[in-house]
Parts: sequence; C-alpha cells; structure tokens
Amino acid sequence: DTAVSQTPKYLVTQMGNDKSIKCEQNLGHDTMYWYKQDSKKFLKIMFSYNNKELIINETVPNRFSPKSPDKAHLNLHINSLELGDSAVYFCASSHGTAGGHNEQFFGPGTRLTVL
Amino acid sequence: DQQVKQNSPSLSVQEGRISILNCDYTNSMFDYFLWYKKYPAEGPTFLISISSIKDKNEDGRFTVFLNKSAKHLSLHIVPSQPGDSAVYFCAASPFGNEKLTFGTGTRLTIIP
Repeated sequence: DTAVSQTPKYLVTQMGNDKSIKCEQNLGHDTMYWYKQDSKKFLKIMFSYNNKELIINETVPNRFSPKSPDKAHLNLHINSLELGDSAVYFCASSHGTAGGHNEQFFGPGTRLTVL
Repeated sequence: DQQVKQNSPSLSVQEGRISILNCDYTNSMFDYFLWYKKYPAEGPTFLISISSIKDKNEDGRFTVFLNKSAKHLSLHIVPSQPGDSAVYFCAASPFGNEKLTFGTGTRLTIIP
C-alpha cells in the first residue's frame, strides 16, 4: 500500500541520453515535489507543483522538465544527461501549506548514474 | 549559503540512553520546522514538527524543542532503540510556503 512511489529505483545511462523518472502518490495530496540529493547528501528542492501548476522552480538547468498530467502524478524528464546529474532524486507530496503546515511525504528515491 | 545547519555529522548513543540531535538556522523567516528520519536506500520519513508559536512538541519517545531567540532546535529521543539508527534531517520553511530547506543530516548510531 505504497503512498508515494517512483520508477525506476535505479537508472544507469550514458552521457547525452534523455531519461524520465515517474512519480505517483495515492495520498490525495494537492502538491508534489522533486528533490535532488547530491554526493554530499545535501537534499535540495528542484520543483513543486500544486494541482498541476508549477509553483516552485529553483535554479535548475532547463534540461530538467517536470510534467504533471494530473495531481497524483509528477514526472521528471531530463534531456542531454551530464555526469553531474548523477544523484538520488526523490519525489514527495503534501497537502500544501493549508494551516501553515507542510509535512511532506517522500518516495523511495531513484538513483541515477550517468556514465 | 546554508540556511539550515546540522553541525554534527554523526552521533553514537548507548541503547536506552537519550539521543539529542541539534539543528541551527539563520533565516528569521522560518517558522515551521520538521525532523525526518532516513534509512539507507529509502526516502526520508516524517517524524515530528513544530511551529514557531510553540517551544516544545512531544510525540511518544520523540520531543522537539525550539529556541527562537537562538535560532536553534533539537530532537530528543528517549529511550534510544537500535531501530533509531538512521540519518536524521531537520528542515524548515516560512509560514505558508511549500519550500522546505533541509540540513545536511546527522547519522545516529545506537549501540546495543
């Protein structure tokens, strides 16, 4: 009974390729996020969508494009992969900031390795 | 510019004793704080949170303390259990803002 799921869990690919990571949540949340955890284990937000609309877009190369077909899904597409894109990518969801609270629930992560 | 800092990368505590994990922040706009626990190869799991109108929040063995004047929060786990061995992240956000800023984590090891 997975709350936030991501596929694939591991992704190994060559430089220059294009790849996608999928995320789905069954918690009924309105807001979804993508985070990147780099080699120093620093967890940093990339994007956030609320009801399919982009609300946070951090300084991320435009090779990264999130797509939200509905509020239960937020996919991440990466063009022209570079070595520095190697990291663990986490999807998360929340009810947003209703009442000022923002507990986010995370998926298991996708470890991307670019060779 | 790291706005949320966890200055201890690791901590070892004897089983049954108290574990105290610390977190400092610099952004005075932060008013909601969370602690997450992370096991290897899994995503972070929400543990406990506190808003700036409180200075303490308790949930079972976990208590979070907030000192706004010092811009400091701490997580107390008592008694510590072997299953508590994990990496703990603190996170913060301004009121009404979806963006969470995370610290770099503290690896807690509980010694049986």
